Amino acid sequence: AQTVTQSQPEMSVQEAETVTLSCTYDTSESDYYLFWYKQPPSRQMILVIRQEAYKQQNATENRFSVNFQKAAKSFSLKISDSQLGDAAMYFCAPHVSTSGTYKYIFGTGTRLKVLA
Amino acid sequence: ETGVTQSPTHLIKTRGQQVTLRCSSQSGHNTVSWYQQALGQGPQFIFQYYREEENGRGNFPPRFSGLQFPNYSSELNVNALELDDSALYLCASSLDSGESEKLFFGSGTQLSVL
Repeated sequence: AQTVTQSQPEMSVQEAETVTLSCTYDTSESDYYLFWYKQPPSRQMILVIRQEAYKQQNATENRFSVNFQKAAKSFSLKISDSQLGDAAMYFCAPHVSTSGTYKYIFGTGTRLKVLA
Repeated sequence: ETGVTQSPTHLIKTRGQQVTLRCSSQSGHNTVSWYQQALGQGPQFIFQYYREEENGRGNFPPRFSGLQFPNYSSELNVNALELDDSALYLCASSLDSGESEKLFFGSGTQLSVL
């Protein structure tokens, strides 16, 4: 079964500090993509960052970066210089194929609070 | 702004009724996916449509059905509503259905079944 585990239901970080959100997943595929999405109170899922599983180099996007450990099936998100606007639910989502259809498998999410 | 719009924003129905949720994708996006997000959970894949044909389905019963139209709009229909169908329903579109495709999500329809 393809599963995603986000073991931190809630995290807090001081403004301007750094926080890391963890994610582990299980898939039998060798080539796939991994995503982090952010869901603010507006409910709209916003793409934060994307990682190709065949690339060893960790993806970065401005203040956001990942630590991708393929063998361990771990995909953590680091947010540097945290801002009040970063407060949201964060979902880890591998993009995998089941019977030829690509779909996201979402974790249960981590609620990030940013303290002023 | 993702260019994906959903209507209505909120909806209240009673058990046993039928409901239709609508989504307007970005122009040129051939693929639309629907996800159900129960309270406190991550979204769960319902099904995907590619060029007006269903090309993948999650673990949802047949009373969940969909349509995709040539004008980049789509519908999710749910028959015989149950209390557990209460959730946020998200529509997401993409250019294609391949493995590298980023999804662009709408803001969802919050369905409450009483």
